[in-house]
Amino acid sequence: DSGVTQTPKHLITATGQRVTLRCSPRSGDLSVYWYQQSLDQGLQFLIQYYNGEERAKGNILERFSAQQFPDLHSELNLSSLELGDSALYFCASSGGTGLALVEQYFGPGTRLTVT
Amino acid sequence: ILNVEQSPQSLHVQEGDSTNFTCSFPSSNFYALHWYRWETAKSPEALFVMTLNGDEKKKGRISATLNTKEGYSYLYIKGSQPEDSATYLCALLLANQAGTALIFGKGTTLSVSS
Repeated sequence: DSGVTQTPKHLITATGQRVTLRCSPRSGDLSVYWYQQSLDQGLQFLIQYYNGEERAKGNILERFSAQQFPDLHSELNLSSLELGDSALYFCASSGGTGLALVEQYFGPGTRLTVT
Repeated sequence: ILNVEQSPQSLHVQEGDSTNFTCSFPSSNFYALHWYRWETAKSPEALFVMTLNGDEKKKGRISATLNTKEGYSYLYIKGSQPEDSATYLCALLLANQAGTALIFGKGTTLSVSS
């Protein structure tokens, strides 16, 4: 158990809908990272938050947004969902100063299926 | 387009064999290299974070080296065991004016037979 929790575990929704994925980092970790793993793309970095502020951005679509709250939990919002958004979404957390120079601890992931 | 390449794509060895994989990356704007171990139906697990040219890190039977000038890192597994069967991912941390970004390779899938 990495200490990172993600909810829900599975989510099935229809195209055009909006969903929110939630992540709680390990105790004391200030950085939260979001990743998408789809069959054809491998693991893709989406976005990083550090202590409530966006720190780094990867291949995140404009339909997707994230935030980190004062209690350090993070939410990833996916809107206008398309079939191609079906994937496993991981959250990871780390300590350090937010430059991804230390190990990241991954949560169990949320499996999103868009029908 | 920046690419992180891993080779081989997959590998099958016998228990007790030693093996190694390669992660190749563009050396400009290098900040750090991460190695992860990812077992089927589990989450990626951090192995190493390497930042300095010539870095060598070890965790049990697994070790890694880093050459930032030529843009590659090797992961070695000594005396492979069936429990080492997993996909090994490397990820490059780049830093530029736009910020930082993590770029993952597609992984090397190792299968160890007893």
